[in-house]
Amino acid sequence: DAGVIQSPRHEVTEMGQEVTLRCKPISGHDYLFWYRQTMMRGLELLIYFNNNVPIDDSGMPEDRFSAKMPNASFSTLKIQPSEPRDSAVYFCASSFSIGGQPQHFGDGTRLSIL
Amino acid sequence: KNEVEQSPQNLTAQEGEFITINCSYSVGISALHWLQQHPGGGIVSLFMLSSGKKKHGRLIATINIQEKHSSLHITASHPRDSAVYICAVRETSGSRLTFGEGTQLTVNP
Repeated sequence: DAGVIQSPRHEVTEMGQEVTLRCKPISGHDYLFWYRQTMMRGLELLIYFNNNVPIDDSGMPEDRFSAKMPNASFSTLKIQPSEPRDSAVYFCASSFSIGGQPQHFGDGTRLSIL
Repeated sequence: KNEVEQSPQNLTAQEGEFITINCSYSVGISALHWLQQHPGGGIVSLFMLSSGKKKHGRLIATINIQEKHSSLHITASHPRDSAVYICAVRETSGSRLTFGEGTQLTVNP
């Protein structure tokens, strides 16, 4: 079975540029999560969706960050404009249900903003 | 004080040793997760538990809800177990996961 697929695996760009991270959840999963991992703060939940609807975006750092889930098989996390402090590994995860099932993580996107 | 605290932060063991990693939390939870992150960065969910004990191969996870404490045990440790082990809790009052800082485990041959 295909797992959670994220793209790109690595992204290096200059500050001020728009960055778009992509995620394809496991087919049939109805929850999708975006996480950020840094050395300073560890893993943090940014936002999660249920049935394509954003449920909790309180972890989104600021208005420069936005996430969408136009359909059950695709989500994007966008940063515009990007800043060096956004450099981190961004993980996407999906699950069948928020309580009863474990989350399956993608391999992450390593983002470096110069 | 972090809501989720793990100990130890770093652990080095010899192959074959029994390993215990601890997680304490300060909030009411509906579930606790143990995650494994390998040097390549990928994250794998090992266990999700809300009571008692779960076992998968050489891994055992226990939770004591009254004491707000969970342990992850690895029996007959192996160098391939070397990874960061992360504890995360889902609070009963919300839906988000709160993560511990992780325990870096190194198992030497």
